Amino acid sequence: EAAVTQSPRNKVAVTGGKVTLSCNQTNNHNNMYWYRQDTGHGLRLIHYSYGAGSTEKGDIPDGYKASRPSQENFSLILELATPSQTSVYFCASGTGFSDYTFGSGTRLLVI
Amino acid sequence: GEQVEQRPPHLSVREGDSAIIICTYTDSATAYFSWYKQEAGAGLQLLMSVLSNVDRKEEQGLTVLLNKKDKRLSLNLTAAHPGDSAVYFCAASHYNQGKLIFGQGTKLSIKP
Repeated sequence: EAAVTQSPRNKVAVTGGKVTLSCNQTNNHNNMYWYRQDTGHGLRLIHYSYGAGSTEKGDIPDGYKASRPSQENFSLILELATPSQTSVYFCASGTGFSDYTFGSGTRLLVI
Repeated sequence: GEQVEQRPPHLSVREGDSAIIICTYTDSATAYFSWYKQEAGAGLQLLMSVLSNVDRKEEQGLTVLLNKKDKRLSLNLTAAHPGDSAVYFCAASHYNQGKLIFGQGTKLSIKP
């Protein structure tokens, strides 16, 4: 069954440390997305990708980097984590503007 | 850029009653609309999607209405049941943009 798998499910990081969130999809979708979800803000787009080797800035990219080494994998990197980046992060895959398939989320706590 | 506003943030209805969630958007060029459901501790699950040339779509107890004149999208759940308790999100995008813009979400609670 086609799916989007995120790892880790939960992460506790220290302020100033590096954090990498991973996402793998078996949908063979060209597009992949990273969102963060915070109460009162819904989902906000951080970075997205149209295919292997491409990354694009979303609406709130500051403090985040992204990497798309292959069709299946899309990573979100926090080089210097801050407490304001404590959130739930969702990865999704899709084709163009069409329906997305979401992962189950990564809950990140930065202390 | 596109902005999507969703209301209400919280909604409580009795089992068997209807629930209506409304989203408004700003860009008249918006071409694609969708509704997602998020159960506790899980990711978002697509409920229904419509293109901008559709005014009404019904599926399995859900009705989506699109009023392009008022730039308003609504989701109507008829005969709500406990399994409908979740957070619901609307989303919108353009044809030439491969990204969805989400509303703020509505937490729906079903009372017995």
